[in-house]
Amino acid sequence: EVQLVQSGAEVKEPGESLKISCKGFGYSFSSHWIGWVRQLPGKGLEWMAIIFPGDSKTRYSPSFQGQVTISVDKSISTAYLQWSSLKASDTAMYYCARPTYGASDYWGQGTLVTVSS
Amino acid sequence: QSALTQPASVSGSPGQSITISCTGTSSDVGGYDYVSWYQQHPGKAPKLMFYEVNNRPSGVPDRFSGSKSGNTASLTISGLQAEDEATYYCGSYRTSDTLDVVFGGGTALTVL
Repeated sequence: EVQLVQSGAEVKEPGESLKISCKGFGYSFSSHWIGWVRQLPGKGLEWMAIIFPGDSKTRYSPSFQGQVTISVDKSISTAYLQWSSLKASDTAMYYCARPTYGASDYWGQGTLVTVSS
Repeated sequence: QSALTQPASVSGSPGQSITISCTGTSSDVGGYDYVSWYQQHPGKAPKLMFYEVNNRPSGVPDRFSGSKSGNTASLTISGLQAEDEATYYCGSYRTSDTLDVVFGGGTALTVL
């Protein structure tokens, strides 16, 4: 059974760094794009970035380029999203998902990130 | 990177049919048969309802149907049920030098 399992909720202060994770089970992790979707409180879904684990090729939304970094460790079938300096406006639910020609058939359970002083 | 355009809300009574539209451009919805639809209930992760315009993953009721004409895709739900109340998002593959996947803004469905 294919599953994407994300790391737990985080509470951070502005300016802190953070790395959240998404581990894939039940499929060939290196052969499928995987990415991150942001959902601000009460708002819609936004693609942030995707990565192909086989060669670590990345694609970023212009809205998030330079704001976050997507990476993978294919030896442990895990994708990451990291921030070097969080802002209050980064408070959101973050989902990992597996896009195939635009359709994401599998989603993680979500990681809630709260940034507050 | 502009999102695809969806109505903010739609409503219908149990048993009725509703249609949600998703308008893009020739670089996304109109250019490829790679339109997808998602259902999201409050506090839950999105669930894929359709891929490649009208292909239904197993477990999705056949009351749901997908279609496309030109730059606009549509999701139709017939025989509305209370559990269909959710927010629905369309998605598409798109031609882009940066990120080649995009969502619509979402449509909140209320079952009256």
